[in-house]
Amino acid sequence: AQSVSQHNHHVILSEAASLELGCNYSYGGTVNLFWYVQYPGQHLQLLLKYFSGDPLVKGIKGFEAEFIKSKFSFNLRKPSVQWSDTAEYFCAALGDKLIFGTGTRLQVFP
Amino acid sequence: NAGVTQTPKFQVLKTGQSMTLQCAQDMNHEYMSWYRQDPGMGLRLIHYSVGAGITDQGEVPNGYNVSRSTTEDFPLRLLSAAPSQTSVYFCASSLSGANVLTFGAGSRLTVL
Repeated sequence: AQSVSQHNHHVILSEAASLELGCNYSYGGTVNLFWYVQYPGQHLQLLLKYFSGDPLVKGIKGFEAEFIKSKFSFNLRKPSVQWSDTAEYFCAALGDKLIFGTGTRLQVFP
Repeated sequence: NAGVTQTPKFQVLKTGQSMTLQCAQDMNHEYMSWYRQDPGMGLRLIHYSVGAGITDQGEVPNGYNVSRSTTEDFPLRLLSAAPSQTSVYFCASSLSGANVLTFGAGSRLTVL
């Protein structure tokens, strides 16, 4: 069965710290991969996506993610977080349907 | 304004009552879907549709019905509400299942 796992449920960082959020998926075929973000009180917005080509993809607000096929992973990174990055982050994989992970709540303190 | 419109934004039901959550999009998207969001569980797919007249089950379809008589509308029906259906529901659409989803603002449902 298709599934997505996010290992970090709650991450707390200080401003300027580096961020890496883990995401692993399972599916027997080709997948498209996404990271969505939900800021407090808002609905989900796309952060970045991978369909094919360069496995290192860059998204909005300085975020990037790397698709590693051999590890079934699509980890999200940002070199230096800001207070405004406080939000919940969802990894999603599209195989035969779009499935989301359970989310990671990121809190960034000034 | 183009986008996904969900109504109502808030609803309180008693156990056993029925209701319909409405979802409409004006972007001519073929793909529409319903998710529920619960703390610690992320978003779980309830039902989805790849076009008018076509619907399919997601991860957690029990207790919910959908229909897709037009491209624009994708209502979600709760036939007999249960407290376990207390959640925030999001409707989302895209040009096709492989494209980026556009989400509605959500509908918060409480079942007493």
